[in-house]
Order: sequence, then C-alpha cells, then structure tokens
Amino acid sequence: GAVVSQHPSRVICKSGTSVKIECRSLDFQATTMFWYRQFPKQSLMLMATSNEGSKATYEQGVEKDKFLINHASLTLSTLTVTSAHPEDSSFYICSARAPGGDTEAFFGQGTRLTVV
Amino acid sequence: GQNIDQPTEMTATEGAIVQINCTYQTSGFNGLFWYQQHAGEAPTFLSYNVLDGLEEKGRFSSFLSRSKGYSYLLLKELQMKDSASYLCAVLDSNYQLIWGAGTKLIIKP
Repeated sequence: GAVVSQHPSRVICKSGTSVKIECRSLDFQATTMFWYRQFPKQSLMLMATSNEGSKATYEQGVEKDKFLINHASLTLSTLTVTSAHPEDSSFYICSARAPGGDTEAFFGQGTRLTVV
Repeated sequence: GQNIDQPTEMTATEGAIVQINCTYQTSGFNGLFWYQQHAGEAPTFLSYNVLDGLEEKGRFSSFLSRSKGYSYLLLKELQMKDSASYLCAVLDSNYQLIWGAGTKLIIKP
C-alpha cells in the first residue's frame, strides 16, 4: 500500500514555543491530506483538511491561527502548532488518500507532542 | 447529524471469536472502513466494504448491510496481539471519513 511518513514521532517543547510536524506521501501524490488529533482513549478528531495549493479547511472549534497548515506540494503538508500550551499536548496524526475518493486512508506514524 | 456507534469496550478469550458491531447514520455512503489501532500508534487499515455482504481476509472478516446501516468486524482465533482499539469509519457523500469512537478489545489468556 501507499506510504505516508510523518515526522517527528515524538517532540517535547516548552510552553510558548512553536512546533512543526511534517507529513509526506512517499509514493503517491496527495492533493488532500487530513490532520487529526487524538486525546488518550478517544477517537480521531479531524482538525483540518489540507488542500494542495489552497487554504486548509478547518473544523469547527479549531483555531486556524494556532494550527497553521501548509500544503505547498503534492507530497508534503505541514502542521505548525504555534505558541503551544500544555493543553495542546496530544497525539497528532496525518492521513492521505491516493487519487480516487473511495480508497483507504493511509496514516502517518503520528506525532506525540508534549508541551511542558 | 452524522453518527457512528460502536461498543466502547469488549473482552474476549484467546483462541475464541469476537464480533464488533458498528451502526451508522451518515449523509450518503461511499464505503465503510475498519482500522486497528494499538495504543500510542497510528491506525492501520483492516478492511473496506462498499457492497452488501461478507469480505473475508484471513482471520478477519467484515460484513456490511447498507439497508440496515450496519457493519461488523469478525475476528477469529484471537491472539493476544489482537488487543487493540478497532475503529469503524464511513465515507460520506462528500468522501469525508466519519469516525466512530472505537472499540477497545481486551484479550484474556
């Protein structure tokens, strides 16, 4: 199957700093990527849909100025958590689907963010 | 609104069979996925159903009834490594994935 690579897998940062998470589709072009957040023992919560060459579409309640998404190429989307606070500590996962809307979603490995 | 229901937690015995149910109410339907997620890891794909019936893949099978808005994941010959959360997700009319909260499966020796 297709491969989605997410980096870093773990990051610890100080409160008030910014963290960038990268998501790459390695063997296919992903015009759309999805960013999820998952708190312990909870399901995936879609944060935003990242579209190559255009602005991301954010879900209700997600601050677009805090969670900056850039999808500059067909194989790379980045999520930047700006001015991180301890409540932003979570598991962040990106996902992409290969062309053809009914294909499975391929997930990155996830990023465990801890803000201290 | 859109809704996907699955049990929060289930317990089964090693070597046995377990069925995890999923019911859904979504705006349109373009397929249903089952994913497995071990704690602290990203979900991994298990199955995809778009037509009614049973899809078998080794020890795992998935069933779909579109008229009933119902699916189940059947796990046979359970192994300890099958302890994980199992997520049901439906692709709606806009090709957006709608996720269930997941079923935590606990396997006991």
